[in-house]
Amino acid sequence: GESVGLHLPTLSVQEGDNSIINCAYSNSASDYFIWYKQESGKGPQFIIDIRSNMDKRQGQRVTVLLNKTVKHLSLQIAATQPGDSAVYFCAEISYGNNRLAFGKGNQVVVIP
Amino acid sequence: NAGVMQNPRHLVRRRGQEARLRCSPMKGHSHVYWYRQLPEEGLKFMVYLQKENIIDESGMPKERFSAEFPKEGPSILRIQQVVRGDSAAYFCASSPNRGSGANVLTFGAGSRLTVL
Repeated sequence: GESVGLHLPTLSVQEGDNSIINCAYSNSASDYFIWYKQESGKGPQFIIDIRSNMDKRQGQRVTVLLNKTVKHLSLQIAATQPGDSAVYFCAEISYGNNRLAFGKGNQVVVIP
Repeated sequence: NAGVMQNPRHLVRRRGQEARLRCSPMKGHSHVYWYRQLPEEGLKFMVYLQKENIIDESGMPKERFSAEFPKEGPSILRIQQVVRGDSAAYFCASSPNRGSGANVLTFGAGSRLTVL
C-alpha cells in the first residue's frame, strides 16, 4: 500500500535555473495526467495536462513528459522564478473514472 | 467569475462536535468533488456529486461523513462526532461535465478543520 510520508521530497533550485520534478504513477489504465501546483494555504492550481497518446506537451515555461513504458511523468520548469516555489502534484485518471488520483507531491524551493 | 468558493476557511471543533463545510462551485459548473488532504500528503478523493445526486462516494468513510449538493445552495460536507484524525484540509473542486480529459477540475482554497 501507499506509505505515508512525513516529509515531502524537496528540490532546491537557484533562481533562473531549470527544474525537473518527477512522478511515478501506478495505474497503467490511466489515460490523462495533470500537474497541479499548490502554494501554501491555497488549493491546487492547474499547470498543464497531457493525454496518454502523447509523450510531450509544452506550455509557457513548462513541459510535461510522459513515459508510459515505465509509468513515469515529469514536469520541467524553465528559468525557475521565486513564484514557482510550491508543492507540485501529479494526478492521473482513467476514462470513465470519477476520481482524480494524486501523487504525494514534491516541494520546490527557489533560492533567489 | 468568483471561482470555487469554500467556507469556512478555518474551522475549529472539539471532539464529538459536528463540522459543516460548504462549497459553491464555479458558475455554470454542476459537478462537485470533495477531496481531503492530510499534512504533506496528496489529495484523497472522497465523493463526487451532481445536483441532488451522489454519483460516487467510494472514497468517503462509511460512518460520520455525509455529503449533499441540493438543487439550490452550496454543496455541504458534514462530519458528525469529529475525532482528532479528521483534522485535515478539505478541498472542493467543480467541473462543468464529468469524465477524464474532457475537463480539468477547478479547486477552491480549501477548508482547514482542526479538531481539539
